[in-house]
Amino acid sequence: DTGVSQDPRHKITKRGQNVTFRCDPISEHNRLYWYRQTLGQGPEFLTYFQNEAQLEKSRLLSDRFSAERPKGSFSTLEIQRTEQGDSAMYLCASSLDLQGASRTFGSGTRLTVV
Amino acid sequence: AQSVTQLGSHVSVSEGALVLLRCNYSSSVPPYLFWYVQYPNQGLQLLLKYTTGATLVKGINGFEAEFKKSETSFHLTKPSAHMSDAAEYFCAVRGMDSSYKLIFGSGTRLLVRP
Repeated sequence: DTGVSQDPRHKITKRGQNVTFRCDPISEHNRLYWYRQTLGQGPEFLTYFQNEAQLEKSRLLSDRFSAERPKGSFSTLEIQRTEQGDSAMYLCASSLDLQGASRTFGSGTRLTVV
Repeated sequence: AQSVTQLGSHVSVSEGALVLLRCNYSSSVPPYLFWYVQYPNQGLQLLLKYTTGATLVKGINGFEAEFKKSETSFHLTKPSAHMSDAAEYFCAVRGMDSSYKLIFGSGTRLLVRP
């Protein structure tokens, strides 16, 4: 197992375009989290899945954002009609469904909206 | 609501000197606390965590942290800084609800002078 993989590593897009990111978690991890990190800040929670069910969405996740985890394995995060304020690092993490379980983070996708 | 405060957005030490990164938390329940390290354009790597039991927690790369309930603190230390320790460090507390999401501080950038 090579850990949590995220694709692409970098994405530059024009304002108004749609983008989609992919996260492949550690195979035995049933929880998957998405975070957003802007420059000089800590990661902020966006949403999480337990298996294929999306159980919570942050108020940071506007209607332009949608996330899926169709078979309880990989997940996608789509941003429609991107805005400059969406520029950030998008981090994915996975873990077991245990209170003290450590989260393993991917290397992130850095989005730049021009 | 739970929160994390990291005092000092930048800390500079000489190589070989003591590293002390400060973290204070707010939680109405016994907290689970984490320290992560982030190198440029990388995801987050777990250094150590406190769940229950021994309040002095040892982590990777010679780091350790002590949970002090009376001070609501979880400061990160390392006896002797190495150049490779230069990175961004994040303290996090686990959320109270069943999502187990992490709530991060704003981070401390550690600079190591030769």
